[in-house]
Amino acid sequence: QVQLVESGGGVVQPGRSLRLSCSGSGYLFSSFGIHWVRQAPGKGLEWLAGVSFDGNVEYYADSVKGRCSISRDNSKDTVVLQMNSLRVEDTAVYFCAKSAIFRGLKKSLIYFDNWGPGTLVAVSS
Amino acid sequence: QSVLTQPPSASGTPGQRVTISCSGGSSNIGTNHVYWYQQLPGTAPKLLIYRNNQRPSGVPDRFSGSKSGTSASLTITGLRSEDEADYYCASWDDSLSGVVFGGGAKLTVL
Repeated sequence: QVQLVESGGGVVQPGRSLRLSCSGSGYLFSSFGIHWVRQAPGKGLEWLAGVSFDGNVEYYADSVKGRCSISRDNSKDTVVLQMNSLRVEDTAVYFCAKSAIFRGLKKSLIYFDNWGPGTLVAVSS
Repeated sequence: QSVLTQPPSASGTPGQRVTISCSGGSSNIGTNHVYWYQQLPGTAPKLLIYRNNQRPSGVPDRFSGSKSGTSASLTITGLRSEDEADYYCASWDDSLSGVVFGGGAKLTVL
């Protein structure tokens, strides 16, 4: 069955960088987009970034634009979210999620049918 | 401050019907599909409703979604204790060029 697993979380000092990875299995990884959504402690869901199935289209939320970059390596079934200049308010559980539509590029059809369990990022000095 | 507005909480007794609203604008719900996710305590979100009113396989027909203009709603009938969770609406926002979520509604089964 479809499985997504995040890795790379941990404790990091403010101003430093972090690289989160999302590995997918159980489906044709190269045919579906991957997105990152985070949840600060006790708060709601916040969409951060996404990448199309082929890596040619990237999407970013205004809150992280310029500080984050997303990329994928379909030969390794992996998507990476690089986060720079981390702030205390970036402390959250970071989920990766699979787009539901096969080779989908239509934006109104971006939604997530499978999620990873999440990885915790704690930004603290 | 979320782009999509949901009530922070909802409640009902077993067997009751509960509706959770989601209000947006012309650049999101007014133009694009609405999706609903259920997040049980301590777990990752799960897709509950897609394209406004479609249920993925495995989601009970007690869950239904609707959309009208710039608002949407999730209705749960025959409420059960295992429905106690946080519920989020989501949509694409053309102005922000990104996915937007509601703030989430915590459903309590009394």
